[in-house]
Amino acid sequence: GQSLEQPSEVTAVEGAIVQINCTYQTSGFYGLSWYQQHDGGAPTFLSYNALDGLEETGRFSSFLSRSDSYGYLLLQELQMKDSASYFCAAHNTNAGKSTFGDGTTLTVKP
Amino acid sequence: DAGVTQSPTHLIKTRGQQVTLRCSPKSGHDTVSWYQQALGQGPQFIFQYYEEEERQRGNFPDRFSGHQFPNYSSELNVNALLLGDSALYLCASSLLSGTDYEQYFGPGTRLTVT
Repeated sequence: GQSLEQPSEVTAVEGAIVQINCTYQTSGFYGLSWYQQHDGGAPTFLSYNALDGLEETGRFSSFLSRSDSYGYLLLQELQMKDSASYFCAAHNTNAGKSTFGDGTTLTVKP
Repeated sequence: DAGVTQSPTHLIKTRGQQVTLRCSPKSGHDTVSWYQQALGQGPQFIFQYYEEEERQRGNFPDRFSGHQFPNYSSELNVNALLLGDSALYLCASSLLSGTDYEQYFGPGTRLTVT
């Protein structure tokens, strides 16, 4: 089967940096994506890694290590609006099926 | 540029009934995926449609079926509803020939089965 593990909750203060880890066990792994979902809202695409290394998009960065089946999302200069759930999602070789983790609830405090 | 739209927003059904959910993809997208999201969990992949064909399917019973129309819009049908089918149903669109890992999600349909 396919599974992803990520912490259920993370708390940080405004202006800080937080890292959300994701380990995966999937067959035919193709790449790892990250999504943000506010309460009652639709998931929003944040970033994607197909190759090892760091991808930077503004305040958000994502890292992948295929040999370790591990990735993380790094959020810098945290803002209150960053309080949300963050999901990692693994894509298989056909890139058609996406398997999501159960999400990490990030709470940003003043 | 219209994003992904879904209808209805909320739906209440009784066990054993059938339901049809609808999705219109983002303009320019040709691929539609459906997900089921239970409270406190991540989206679970149901299936994906491209060129009116089911391209991939997740671990869902045959009670879950779908369709894609020539205009790329899609329907999700669930027969013989069970209490456990209560969830948020999300539709996501992407462009197969492009960055199809980048999915645009609709606001979802909240289905309650009583």
